[in-house]
Amino acid sequence: NAGVTQTPKFRVLKTGQSMTLLCAQDMNHEYMYWYRQDPGMGLRLIHYSVGEGTTAKGEVPDGYNVSRLKKQNFLLGLESAAPSQTSVYFCASSFRRDLRGNEQFFGPGTRLTVL
Amino acid sequence: ELKVEQNPLFLSMQEGKNYTIYCNYSTTSDRLYWYRQDPGKSLESLFVLLSNGAVKQEGRLMASLDTKARLSTLHITAAVHDLSATYFCAVESNSGTYKYIFGTGTRLKVLA
Repeated sequence: NAGVTQTPKFRVLKTGQSMTLLCAQDMNHEYMYWYRQDPGMGLRLIHYSVGEGTTAKGEVPDGYNVSRLKKQNFLLGLESAAPSQTSVYFCASSFRRDLRGNEQFFGPGTRLTVL
Repeated sequence: ELKVEQNPLFLSMQEGKNYTIYCNYSTTSDRLYWYRQDPGKSLESLFVLLSNGAVKQEGRLMASLDTKARLSTLHITAAVHDLSATYFCAVESNSGTYKYIFGTGTRLKVLA
């Protein structure tokens, strides 16, 4: 199993450009998440999905959109990139939130720089 | 509002020494997670704590949860260089709007 994969690994954008980050998981997980990691701020949840066709906002959703058309994929879009969106983006997935908890499995990350 | 604080933020310790990392959170929850991140790498799950008094151990690391005090600890016993990493706790909300909040992390450096 590949686990959680992210595409691309690195990207440089100019202000105002758009892009889509792709996350894929092969563990048949119900839940998927997008986080951003900035120095000194830990991880902050951007958007999440509790199942195919559903999405919801996290802590810092502004400037991002997401879609989950297939259970195994979760896409994060930036319509008009801004320098404040320079960050490392992590995708994660989990089985579901139940009595066994909600342990998350993370992808390798995408380092995005917006000039 | 759920807030999660870790301390210390940075920790430099000698091999063979013991130390504890603290994770405090602000609202009721009985679901807490510890993750490890190596420099430039992704996060990996260490412990899942799901009830008051839960204790989990793996090698030189032991995690515990006190839901009444809203506190989790990650205890390091006889540290070795390989434990150098950043450790994050994360708290999952019990009710209402779904939240899964990470602490800011503790960067641990174990010196030989």
